[in-house]
Amino acid sequence: GENVEQHPSTLSVQEGDSAVIKCTYSDSASNYFPWYKQELGKRPQLIIDIRSNVGEKKDQRIAVTLNKTAKHFSLHITETQPEDSAVYFCAAGGAGSYQLTFGKGTKLSVIP
Amino acid sequence: GAGVSQSPSNKVTEKGKDVELRCDPISGHTALYWYRQSLGQGLEFLIYFQGNSAPDKSGLPSDRFSAERTGGSVSTLTIQRTQQEDSAVYLCASSLIGDNEQFFGPGTRLTVL
Repeated sequence: GENVEQHPSTLSVQEGDSAVIKCTYSDSASNYFPWYKQELGKRPQLIIDIRSNVGEKKDQRIAVTLNKTAKHFSLHITETQPEDSAVYFCAAGGAGSYQLTFGKGTKLSVIP
Repeated sequence: GAGVSQSPSNKVTEKGKDVELRCDPISGHTALYWYRQSLGQGLEFLIYFQGNSAPDKSGLPSDRFSAERTGGSVSTLTIQRTQQEDSAVYLCASSLIGDNEQFFGPGTRLTVL
């Protein structure tokens, strides 16, 4: 089955700096890669996703890049703000089913 | 519209007792997923329901765990003879058929004393 590795597990950045979180996956048939944000005590919420037919997708301050050859994808957050502080999860799926395999999460702290 | 709901929000039980956790998916969503999230950990897949197909139970950690989905809507996750290591947040998610995007409920925090 699919295996997703996520790094780093924790990340601290100064407000205004950029943050990058990286994930690798094992199943070359996976074609859907979402990122979820989970604030403390809240439910995970989708913030951006990318499908395998594109290499990059951007939505305001967040962007995701995908390298299918290397089987890795990354989340980029620019001009970080304190409200970006949360745990971010990557996931991979779509290989013949709608199941998602999640990474273990990255706790992002944005220091004012 | 209404999102995914779960009940109870918190459950404290004694070791050895059975518990039932409920999930109400978004209306019209045919796919339903259960995950377990231990403290500071990622999302561990438990079980997946898709329409009238047989559920994928490959993530259930032991035979003490079972789940049902009645009428293609509400789902119940049952844990029998609870153990302390079962303490976690149990999250439910649903999605539309043909769509990978999953919408999560608020979770049930289970504490086994």
